[in-house]
Amino acid sequence: GAVVSQHPSWVICKSGTSVKIECRSLDFQATTMFWYRQFPKQSLMLMATSNEGSKATYEQGVEKDKFLINHASLTLSTLTVTSAHPEDSSFYICSAREGGTHTDTQYFGPGTRLTVL
Amino acid sequence: GQNIDQPTEMTATEGAIVQINCTYQTSGFNGLFWYQQHAGEAPTFLSYNVLDGLEEKGRFSSFLSRSKGYSYLLLKELQMKDSASYLCVPSDSNYQLIWGAGTKLIIKP
Repeated sequence: GAVVSQHPSWVICKSGTSVKIECRSLDFQATTMFWYRQFPKQSLMLMATSNEGSKATYEQGVEKDKFLINHASLTLSTLTVTSAHPEDSSFYICSAREGGTHTDTQYFGPGTRLTVL
Repeated sequence: GQNIDQPTEMTATEGAIVQINCTYQTSGFNGLFWYQQHAGEAPTFLSYNVLDGLEEKGRFSSFLSRSKGYSYLLLKELQMKDSASYLCVPSDSNYQLIWGAGTKLIIKP
């Protein structure tokens, strides 16, 4: 149980284009999903917290107009990187929290490796 | 401030036992998670401790002492596939997970 999928696994795009990443909880309902970014040999950095049916909460320094998050259902959240630039190249990972309490475990998707040329 | 202290890297032999220590300082505390992360992959959940003591799950065990701000992950009967980074992740008073760089564990035959 507690399987989270992400699509695509990797994407290469040209500078200035937009890229959408999907995160799905396959066998449970996730009231809350999280989006992280990880640069090589660095720790995970939380970008935003997404609650179903409401606006995402972004961490300090993360541009909400650049990283659009939609959590339209209890099993799907999407992250759109708008007008991507080479510095946005990174490993983007989503997680979904099973259950409704804060102490419930976050289960991670396999990640999406984004390369912006 | 919030801080996690783990060894940067450890080496162990296949079949042996290794203990990865973690000390943490957080604003409040709501439990501690251990995750495994293989290179180039996303983290996978290993364990969660909220009360003091030892939680055993197969070859992996995790211990917590809240008063000492200390946890360890114990891996037994090491296998080559256990080569990965191990992340000690406390949850603070706002239930935010605090992520560090983890411990890179290298298993040698």
